[in-house]
Amino acid sequence: AQKITQTQPGMFVQEKEAVTLDCTYDTSDQSYGLFWYKQPSSGEMIFLIYQGSYDEQNATEGRYSLNFQKARKSANLVISASQLGDSAMYFCAMRRGRNAGNMLTFGGGTRLMVKP
Amino acid sequence: DVKVTQSSRYLVKRTGEKVFLECVQDMDHENMFWYRQDPGLGLRLIYFSYDVKMKEKGDIPEGYSVSREKKERFSLILESASTNQTSMYLCASSPQTGLLNTEAFFGQGTRLTVV
Repeated sequence: AQKITQTQPGMFVQEKEAVTLDCTYDTSDQSYGLFWYKQPSSGEMIFLIYQGSYDEQNATEGRYSLNFQKARKSANLVISASQLGDSAMYFCAMRRGRNAGNMLTFGGGTRLMVKP
Repeated sequence: DVKVTQSSRYLVKRTGEKVFLECVQDMDHENMFWYRQDPGLGLRLIYFSYDVKMKEKGDIPEGYSVSREKKERFSLILESASTNQTSMYLCASSPQTGLLNTEAFFGQGTRLTVV
């Protein structure tokens, strides 16, 4: 079974500081994709960033970057220069390759709270 | 913009009622999903559909069924609602590209309370 683990149920960060949200995954597949989604209090899921298992470079999207360590099976999200609007739930997710269809498996989430 | 619309934001139902949660997407996506979200457990997949009338069980299908009669609409059915089905339900859709980087688009969620 595929499993995504987010060990930080909740985190605080000071505005303008950087924060790392942890994600580890367990899969025997060689080909897979990793996603991070943000869920504000309004409830919608917002796609943030993607990393493919064969990508050699860490993904970056604006203030978001993904610290991908394949051997450790970790895909941590780094948010630089935190803003108050970053306060939300954050979910790590994995899509498996080839015969596994299009299903996304999610972790338990981390609630990030940005302090002014 | 892709739009995934869930028919209700909030629902309160009685134990034993048959409950229908409706989801419609407007981007001609082949894949549609129903997830359930509970604190500390993240999103868990209930059912997945990759085509009209086609469905696959996810991780927690017990107590649920689904219907996909038209490509744009995917319904989640609770045959006899129970209090342990009180949760947030999220619908999602994605195109069938065969690519790993295909993102899923989510609806606003339906918060269901079974009393």
